Parts: sequence; structure tokens; C-alpha cells
Amino acid sequence: QVQLQESGPGLVRPWETLSLRCSVSGYLITTGSYHWGWVRQPPGKGLEWIGSIFRTGKTYYTPSLMGRAAISMDKSRNQFSLTLSYVTAADTAVYYCVRDKPSGIFDSWGQGTLAAVSS
Amino acid sequence: EIVLTQSPGTLSVSPGERVTLSCRASQDVPGDFLAWYQQKSGQAPRLLIYDASARATDIPDRFRGSGSGSDFSLTVSWLEPEDFAVYYCQQYGIGPLTFGGGTRVEI
Repeated sequence: QVQLQESGPGLVRPWETLSLRCSVSGYLITTGSYHWGWVRQPPGKGLEWIGSIFRTGKTYYTPSLMGRAAISMDKSRNQFSLTLSYVTAADTAVYYCVRDKPSGIFDSWGQGTLAAVSS
Repeated sequence: EIVLTQSPGTLSVSPGERVTLSCRASQDVPGDFLAWYQQKSGQAPRLLIYDASARATDIPDRFRGSGSGSDFSLTVSWLEPEDFAVYYCQQYGIGPLTFGGGTRVEI
């Protein structure tokens, strides 16, 4: 059974870069047809898809974050990562890593990690 | 992008009742590619329904998804205490992937 676990700093300063990592166990991200993605949720608010990556390295992003968000894979560690540059308070959220069926169905989720932007 | 509007915002019900949650899209969702997720307090969302009406693995049959085009529903036929949560719809018919604002089902 696949398990996903996010990790990263809980606090980031404004205009700096947020970096998060997702460790995957129980499934090799270099195999199969799954994509691997990130979804975030500001405190008390709804869900927002950030982007996804396929094992070939092909990436997809929501337009509002394109240019600031980047997703990459570390195949040797069975991990994938999110970097979000020039963060502001509006980027404060719980960030979830997800397994994405090729069509965009999120069938497995990490427990989430809170990233707060504050000076 | 497709905007999903969920209603009502909050539903106050009792265990054992039947509830229907609505999700309306700003345009037809291609392929009726719509999913529903359940999120309990302090937890990650869980996939309930995909392709508008297919139940995900281990989801009890009291959860039923229906609808097509731009009008979708999630019905819980008999509310159990563990069903009190926030429910989100999500479309994956066309990029970018988008979520509705959620419906809270509370006692």
C-alpha cells in the first residue's frame, strides 16, 4: 500500500523560497502510469491543486502559480519535491503531496505539512 | 478554468438522515470527469467518488455520486457519525484541475 510523507520547514520568510519534499513508500514513482502532485489548503479554506509530475519529468501546473512553482523528482530516493519562490502570506497553507491517477484523480494523500510565511 | 460551486455551504443534519450535496460547474465537465472527497477535521482528504459515480476502493455503498454535464450530486443515504465532515468536488476533465469550495455536513 502506497504511503506519502511530506517534509519541510514550517516557517519561511516573505519573498524567499519554500521547499518541500514528499517521500513515497510502497510504490516506485519511476514505474506505472501515476503522476505525483501537490495540493494546498490555506487555513480554514478550500483545496487548490498546484501541479503534478510524471516519471518522464513532464510537469503540469495551475496557471496562477506557473513561474513560481516547480516540481521535480529524485528517482534514486523515490521522492518528489515542490519549490515555490517569492512566497507571501497568501502562500501560507497545509501542503499535501498526492498520487495522481493519470487523469487527475487524487487517490492517495500524505498527511500534510503546514508551511507558514512570516518574517 | 472551470469554476465549481458547491451548495449548501453548511448542512445541519442528524445521524440516520439522507443528504444530497450539490456541485455545479461553470461549463460542462468533459467526460463527466468529476470526483468527490471527504475531509475530516485535521485530516487529509479522502477520495470517495470518481468519474461522477464510481466508488473508490473501500468506500461504503451509502455514498452515491450522480450527475452529468455541469450538474453533479453526492448523496449519503444514511448518515453515520463518522460521515460528519467537509465534502469537496473536483473536476479533472480539463486543465487546470479545480476544486469546489466545499460543503460542511454537521450535526
